[in-house]
Amino acid sequence: NAGVTQTPKFQVLKTGQSMTLQCAQDMNHEYMSWYRQDPGMGLRLIHYSVGAGITDQGEVPNGYNVSRSTTEDFPLRLLSAAPSQTSVYFCASNPNEADPIRYTFGSGTRLTVV
Amino acid sequence: EDQVTQSPEALRLQEGESSSLNCSYTVSGLRGLFWYRQDPGKGPEFLFTLYSAGEEKEKERLKATLTKKESFLHITAPKPEDSATYLCAVRDYGGSQGNLIFGKGTKLSVKP
Repeated sequence: NAGVTQTPKFQVLKTGQSMTLQCAQDMNHEYMSWYRQDPGMGLRLIHYSVGAGITDQGEVPNGYNVSRSTTEDFPLRLLSAAPSQTSVYFCASNPNEADPIRYTFGSGTRLTVV
Repeated sequence: EDQVTQSPEALRLQEGESSSLNCSYTVSGLRGLFWYRQDPGKGPEFLFTLYSAGEEKEKERLKATLTKKESFLHITAPKPEDSATYLCAVRDYGGSQGNLIFGKGTKLSVKP
């Protein structure tokens, strides 16, 4: 039982490049989300999904796209990377959107945009 | 605007020296307060959920309490392995589904 798996662990992009951060969970969780963590700030929600085929925006969605074609996978796409997107990205899952939100987090992707 | 403020930002303790971490919050309607532990280079790990004032939860040397305006994470006789950043988060009825509002965290260091 791997939990939540994020790839890659580290990535350096040039401004304007695009890439996809991968997130997969093997717990059959319906609810998945993406957060970013920046120094001196709390984790902030980017996008979330309450089930396959359903996604919605969080607090800081600009510059990011998501899709949820299967229960297991929830990739995060950066369309045109900007230095402001340098951050650590965490994917998290929960059995469903109801309480309690005992998120299982992945180990993170550290992204640097130069 | 919903806010979560954690204090202190950093706390250094000697092994066995008990202390408390504070999380104060302002939300339109609390739907849960959460404590997580985060080790360097890792994702947060769930510790506790509290829902109503007066509620308490315990796990080993940690005890979380909740009032109408704040939560405390009490650490009794800490050990070096308790060193980590402790995150507080809240969920309110007015926010996006599932969105947790996180504080900036308290970095705890326990010296042997």
